[in-house]
Amino acid sequence: GEDVEQSLFLSVREGDSSVINCTYTDSSSTYLYWYKQEPGAGLQLLTYIFSNMDMKQDQRLTVLLNKKDKHLSLRIADTQTGDSAIYFCAEMGSGGGADGLTFGKGTHLIIQP
Amino acid sequence: NAGVTQTPKFQVLKTGQSMTLQCAQDMNHNSMYWYRQDPGMGLRLIYYSASEGTTDKGEVPNGYNVSRLNKREFSLRLESAAPSQTSVYFCASSPNRGQGYTFGSGTRLTVV
Repeated sequence: GEDVEQSLFLSVREGDSSVINCTYTDSSSTYLYWYKQEPGAGLQLLTYIFSNMDMKQDQRLTVLLNKKDKHLSLRIADTQTGDSAIYFCAEMGSGGGADGLTFGKGTHLIIQP
Repeated sequence: NAGVTQTPKFQVLKTGQSMTLQCAQDMNHNSMYWYRQDPGMGLRLIYYSASEGTTDKGEVPNGYNVSRLNKREFSLRLESAAPSQTSVYFCASSPNRGQGYTFGSGTRLTVV
């Protein structure tokens, strides 16, 4: 079955860049997503990328996709304390049916002052 | 505010009790989903509804039932709660397959 892998924790200093990595196994993935979850809250869509794109930039966020290696990354420039959260990578395969996303287990981003 | 509304936010059940988690969206989305989130496990799909009148099992459907009451509402029922069902439950909706999902704020359920 499909699988999405992320490291569980990432610690960065305030003001530095954060890079959160994700690998997936489904070669038919059509959409790949990054979600943010703050404590006690639901998941919030941050950004997404189509599988035919290599890069997408949105203000402080840069998503890089290496389809050959099935590797997705999220770079957050100038990391702030408000970026402290769990970040989930998710992929949608190309199979038929609205059968939901496959999520990674999430990366806890810890900001050091 | 437009979005996905879940009720209740918190619930404690005794083993064997039943309850229904409610979810409603006001964005005219076709597809709705129920996930559970457990520490170290990420989110796992319980059931989904591609459109009004249809429901399908996800990864972990055992012990749950769902009803797509209308386009807006998608409920999750636990007929006989077990401690293994202690979790945070999230409802989500999407316009169509492949578009970004909107999540509710979750229901924290404890079964004792």
